Amino acid sequence: NAGVTQTPKFQVLKTGQSMTLQCAQDMNHEYMSWYRQDPGMGLRLIHYSVGAGITDQGEVPNGYNVSRSTTEDFPLRLLSAAPSQTSVYFCASSRANPGVAAFFGQGTRLTVV
Amino acid sequence: GESVGLHLPTLSVQEGDNSIINCAYSNSASDYFIWYKQESGKGPQFIIDIRSNMDKRQGQRVTVLLNKTVKHLSLQIAATQPGDSAVYFCAEKDTGTASKLTFGTGTRLQVTL
Repeated sequence: NAGVTQTPKFQVLKTGQSMTLQCAQDMNHEYMSWYRQDPGMGLRLIHYSVGAGITDQGEVPNGYNVSRSTTEDFPLRLLSAAPSQTSVYFCASSRANPGVAAFFGQGTRLTVV
Repeated sequence: GESVGLHLPTLSVQEGDNSIINCAYSNSASDYFIWYKQESGKGPQFIIDIRSNMDKRQGQRVTVLLNKTVKHLSLQIAATQPGDSAVYFCAEKDTGTASKLTFGTGTRLQVTL
């Protein structure tokens, strides 16, 4: 049972490039989310999804797009990378019931130069 | 760890002693709280959770205390071990937001031998 799998683990982009961070879970969780983690700050929610076909914005959605075509996958797209998007990105999943802890992936360290 | 803030509050504890990590929250509508542990280069890992209708919950070597009057959460680790060295985050969920979590900035626990 792999849990939450993120790829790639590391990525360097040039300003203006686009890319997709992949996230897959094999626990049949309805709820998936993307966070970014920056020095001195807590995890901040970028986008989330409560089920296939449903997505919504979190705290810091600008510059990112998501889609949820299947229960298992929740990719995060950077449309035009900026240095301010240099961060560590975490994908998480959980059952949709209120009061259920999230399982996190190992993270993707993204550097935009 | 390289993915976590450089200026986190740090708690140094001697091996075998008990650790107490504190977290203040501001949202009186939060009804569910979680403690996560994050080791260097890894994603957050669930430790223990508590609902707002409880004051205390115990796990294996860990206890979470919730004081709703002063909006304070604490994590107690008994007989702290070197493997407990990590950054610890509290997270809260608003009663009206399904599974969406808000994270604190974290505390680094250093266990000395």
